[in-house]
This record gives sequence, structure tokens and C-alpha cells, in this order.
Amino acid sequence: DGGITQSPKYLFRKEGQNVTLSCEQNLNHDAMYWYRQDPGQGLRLIYYSQIVNDFQKGDIAEGYSVSREKKESFPLTVTSAQKNPTAFYLCASSSLTGTLHIDTIYFGEGSWLTVV
Amino acid sequence: SQQGEEDPQALSIQEGENATMNCSYKTSINNLQWYRQNSGRGLVHLILIRSNEREKHSGRLRVTLDTSKKSSSLLITASRAADTASYFCAYILTGGGNKLTFGTGTQLKVEL
Repeated sequence: DGGITQSPKYLFRKEGQNVTLSCEQNLNHDAMYWYRQDPGQGLRLIYYSQIVNDFQKGDIAEGYSVSREKKESFPLTVTSAQKNPTAFYLCASSSLTGTLHIDTIYFGEGSWLTVV
Repeated sequence: SQQGEEDPQALSIQEGENATMNCSYKTSINNLQWYRQNSGRGLVHLILIRSNEREKHSGRLRVTLDTSKKSSSLLITASRAADTASYFCAYILTGGGNKLTFGTGTQLKVEL
């Protein structure tokens, strides 16, 4: 099956701990994204990457870190510096057109992170 | 904030009726996409319309784009209970690289 796999689906974090959310895609997409969604709200961009070993901050990058060591993988670490991390996290990927614009974005099923 | 606005925020209709959702944005865009999200799930791509297109159809979906008004609309015809979901517009700002910005979403409820 081709697609985007996020894990874990549910994660509980104690205050002061770092946690890492996994995102893997087998669509051969160049671009990958992490979004945060709070209940009843839209999506806000945390980080995105268009090429291996390169990534850019989105609108709410503070308290988060990412890496892109492989084309297929874009893990997100929620650090203890993120003061309000409880949210739904969505990973996405997209191919790039000839003009290097993104095309359709495909999403994973999301990961719920709760701070306890 | 560059986040787009969608209206209405919530819409409740009867099965068989049409549902129209609107999306407005603030600056010029390369393309605009519409997505659907069932509660607690990932987003599913519905349709993409490019900045040089004015209207696009896909099954029961019709999307329009008016770049002069910086707005887009999504029309779902002959709605079904299974269409109940949240709908989001998303767009890339011209010169914004590949940063996809999402609107605030419309929660659609289709009742039997």
C-alpha cells in the first residue's frame, strides 16, 4: 500500500519530556510537512522540507524540531520547550511539479499527543 | 496572519440539499486546494484549482476561483449524510515557496 504512515496514533507525554512523532512515506515525494491542529481549529504549519537534509520553519516552529535524513522520513520532536503541546499532529507529503511547486498534498492519519 | 477565512464556520443542511462553502485569502496565490476531514482523521484531498482557472468539477463537487476577489467557493450538490465532515481550503502564496496555508474550515453536517 502506498501512503503516509504516522506513529504512534496516541501518545502521552509527561511535562518536561521530549517526544518524537514518526512520519514515513513511500510515495517518493520530495516535500514533507508537519501541521498542528487544535480542537475545532484549522491547521498550522510547524516545519516543512523540500529536499533531504534541508527544512524550513513554518508559522509555529518554536518548541519543535525536525530532521530529514532520508527522503521517506520526516520525524517531529516535540521538546519540553513547547509549553502547550497537547494537540493533533498531521504529517503530509507532496511531489513537486516541474516548476518546483507542490501539487496535491497527501496526509497521514494523524497522531494525538496529550500532556499528562 | 496569512491564514485564510472560511465561511460559514458551521453549516447544517438536509440530505439532498446543496452545500456552499466559501474561502477568502489575503494575497495572490499559485493554486488553491480543498480538503475534507472526518473527525479525528487525516485530511483527504478533494480538488485543486490553479490560479489561471475559474471553475473546476469533480463528481458532485464544483469549485470556483475568483482571483480578483481573492475568494473561492466549494459547492457540494445533492448532499448525503456521508458528506458530514469539516472542509478546508488551502493555498500557496505567490512567492511563498511551497508553504501551504490552510483556512479555518467549515463544519458541515448533513442530516437525514
